[in-house]
Amino acid sequence: NAGVTQTPKFRILKIGQSMTLQCTQDMNHNYMYWYRQDPGMGLKLIYYSVGAGITDKGEVPNGYNVSRSTTEDFPLRLELAAPSQTSVYFCASSYAGASDTQYFGPGTRLTVL
Amino acid sequence: EDKVVQSPLSLVVHEGDTVTLNCSYEVTNFRSLLWYKQEKKAPTFLFMLTSSGIEKKSGRLSSILDKKELFSILNITATQTGDSAVYLCAVRDYGGSQGNLIFGKGTKLSVKP
Repeated sequence: NAGVTQTPKFRILKIGQSMTLQCTQDMNHNYMYWYRQDPGMGLKLIYYSVGAGITDKGEVPNGYNVSRSTTEDFPLRLELAAPSQTSVYFCASSYAGASDTQYFGPGTRLTVL
Repeated sequence: EDKVVQSPLSLVVHEGDTVTLNCSYEVTNFRSLLWYKQEKKAPTFLFMLTSSGIEKKSGRLSSILDKKELFSILNITATQTGDSAVYLCAVRDYGGSQGNLIFGKGTKLSVKP
């Protein structure tokens, strides 16, 4: 049982490039989340999903897109990378929603130059 | 606007000391409060609190919630160098089908030998 896994661990992008951050969980959790954490700041919710085929915006969705075609996977896509998207990205999952705790992946550190 | 405020932002203590970390919140529809420990990478879950006055305890860590005064504290007794980390407080509200999780900026705890 690997829990929540994320790839890559590190990535450097040039302005305007695109990339997909991968997130997979093997706990059969319905809910999945993407957060970003800027230096010295708390986590901010980007997007979340309550189940396969259903996604919704969080606090800071601009510049990102997500999809949830399976229960296990919840990729986050950056279409036109900007320096403001330099951050550490965490994926998380929970079995239920509001009543349940979230389990986090190890994070992806992204730098946009 | 919903917000979670943690204090202090950073703290340096010596091994064996007892520390108290504070978390105050303002949310429209409070559901639960969670504490996480974040070392180098992903946050790891510590406690979830939903009821006032009921202490949650795990080893040397304990936490309690006051829903009237809108705050929680996290206590760590007999601190060890392994307790050095950023401690995150997050509050979940009833907003949306999954309940939004609003994070504070964290308290950085450094425990010196």
